[in-house]
Amino acid sequence: AQKITQTQPGMFVQEKEAVTLDCTYDTSDQSYGLFWYKQPSSGEMIFLIYQGSYDEQNATEGRYSLNFQKARKSANLVISASQLGDSAMYFCAMRENEGGSEKLVFGKGTKLTVNP
Amino acid sequence: DVKVTQSSRYLVKRTGEKVFLECVQDMDHENMFWYRQDPGLGLRLIYFSYDVKMKEKGDIPEGYSVSREKKERFSLILESASTNQTSMYLCASSQDWMNEKLFFGSGTQLSVL
Repeated sequence: AQKITQTQPGMFVQEKEAVTLDCTYDTSDQSYGLFWYKQPSSGEMIFLIYQGSYDEQNATEGRYSLNFQKARKSANLVISASQLGDSAMYFCAMRENEGGSEKLVFGKGTKLTVNP
Repeated sequence: DVKVTQSSRYLVKRTGEKVFLECVQDMDHENMFWYRQDPGLGLRLIYFSYDVKMKEKGDIPEGYSVSREKKERFSLILESASTNQTSMYLCASSQDWMNEKLFFGSGTQLSVL
């Protein structure tokens, strides 16, 4: 079963507007972590934001915020005031413990295009 | 800043060749990972290592092996390359298990003909 689901293969947003990228996850662990990474066309994965399962406040990092709804098992990324440089692939990921080993599992990604 | 360096950005190999993909990190990280990335499939974990000479299978280890003789270097080996191993390969490292923030290399686009 897919552990991380990103239902939006592609998203479009106008420059300076806000956009929400969806992510839902599946885990039976009580302790887990959720991440968002950005991958521009250059190929390198860039860490954006992290939310721990016990964190009560939604994580924020500059223009990025994570809308964490634990009961719904969702961890949506909100980008405020979009910029042209935000055009990229965005991946949601979850730290999970399987067989005593910790690892990071990724979703399939959402391609964001920011229009001028 | 942490730097994760992958030896080649593009690589073209023939079916049946033995292929080595090298990855070096300069921040003394304990943990290192190899992922492959394919369109529509996201990133899938091949192997990871949490210490020198230690390795763990990820989700898709078949057809691959790894080597970690030194802490800073993690090599991915394709013993006999096949066309279905044509992909983007991403190496990553991390120090902190709890928040598992990974630092990635720029990737190696491997084409097997």
